[in-house]
Amino acid sequence: DTAVSQTPKYLVTQMGNDKSIKCEQNLGHDTMYWYKQDSKKFLKIMFSYNNKELIINETVPNRFSPKSPDKAHLNLHINSLELGDSAVYFCASSQVTGGNEQFFGPGTRLTVL
Amino acid sequence: AQTVTQSQPEMSVQEAETVTLSCTYDTSESDYYLFWYKQPPSRQMILVIRQEAYKQQNATENRFSVNFQKAAKSFSLKISDSQLGDAAMYFCAYRRGGIQGAQKLVFGQGTRLTINP
Repeated sequence: DTAVSQTPKYLVTQMGNDKSIKCEQNLGHDTMYWYKQDSKKFLKIMFSYNNKELIINETVPNRFSPKSPDKAHLNLHINSLELGDSAVYFCASSQVTGGNEQFFGPGTRLTVL
Repeated sequence: AQTVTQSQPEMSVQEAETVTLSCTYDTSESDYYLFWYKQPPSRQMILVIRQEAYKQQNATENRFSVNFQKAAKSFSLKISDSQLGDAAMYFCAYRRGGIQGAQKLVFGQGTRLTINP
């Protein structure tokens, strides 16, 4: 009965590869997010979707492409991976009209070699 | 743009004592929310406490309380009777209010809290 789940939890890959991270929430929320936590632990928003519509797109390279097939899912696809993409990626969800709390997934540690 | 600053990269406290983590923020908004999140070594982000800007009363959750100074744009977290399980990174975060537009959390740099037995 996990609220926000991400797969995989760990991802090790070579430079230049393409990879995807999947996120699912079973909280019935209408808004989902991707955050990136760098090696210094700094967390920054990347994208946000509300009812499958992209509403936040921070200055992220266009190698990163989020996709929301439905309100419960938000996936992140990364093309041509670079060393600097190594980080922990967190998915989160919230309800716009609710208590405003964002619930986070367990994170995906991406290592690019 | 809103910014959140945590000026203490690391703090340590003896078990059972009290510690206060500092956070300041900058915004021109009047409607917003402030949060403290805890990130233990498991890396899971756990909400510790939240404060609505329109509420004058400081939020409390068991051993955790905040000192919200709106005019000074300060939002510190006090942990009483520190326990070994409180050891973690603590992040202060800001979110603008309303139900339209950006709902993103803006995080501070984090404070690593160590509990000494």
